[in-house]
Amino acid sequence: TQLLEQSPQFLSIQEGENLTVYCNSSSVFSSLQWYRQEPGEGPVLLVTVVTGGEVKKLKRLTFQFGDARKDSSLHITAAQTGDTGLYLCAGAGYSTLTFGKGTMLLVSP
Amino acid sequence: NAGVTQTPKFQVLKTGQSMTLQCAQDMNHEYMSWYRQDPGMGLRLIHYSVGAGITDQGEVPNGYNVSRSTTEDFPLRLLSAAPSQTSVYFCASSWGQAGQPQHFGDGTRLSIL
Repeated sequence: TQLLEQSPQFLSIQEGENLTVYCNSSSVFSSLQWYRQEPGEGPVLLVTVVTGGEVKKLKRLTFQFGDARKDSSLHITAAQTGDTGLYLCAGAGYSTLTFGKGTMLLVSP
Repeated sequence: NAGVTQTPKFQVLKTGQSMTLQCAQDMNHEYMSWYRQDPGMGLRLIHYSVGAGITDQGEVPNGYNVSRSTTEDFPLRLLSAAPSQTSVYFCASSWGQAGQPQHFGDGTRLSIL
């Protein structure tokens, strides 16, 4: 079973601060996806990274895929209260997706 | 745009009862899957299907059955509910395999007493 470790498990910050969430594994994935989930809803895809070393930006969010395609990071610049939610990384294998346990982000005004 | 529709949204069962969680998608996606989400455990794959007539087990399949008679529908059956199956269940679909963007439903919150 492929495992994805996310850290930190919980992060509470003030609006305007920067933060980084990590997603690490000992396994190689063909691609890695990041989702955000809000209470009472299903996860929503933010980005998919495919190539080792790839960097993708989505407004204030920057996603990076490790060179060996085993790890990834999500950096948020100048966090806003609307960024509050559960952030999940998921690694794609041949026919299944393996999720990390998530990082719960709380951004206070 | 309906996307992925799960019914019911909430359900309370007694131990030993059976029930079916419904999942339907209107995007003509071939790949569909069921996950359960428990506090501190993330999303764990129960069963998945790569197309009509084809299903396979995920990480935690025991106590659950699935079938895929049409592209649109992928029901999840609990044969004899147990308190350990209390969870939030999510159905997802994508046009390709697991590496493609997954579209999730809003979940079914299930409590087994």
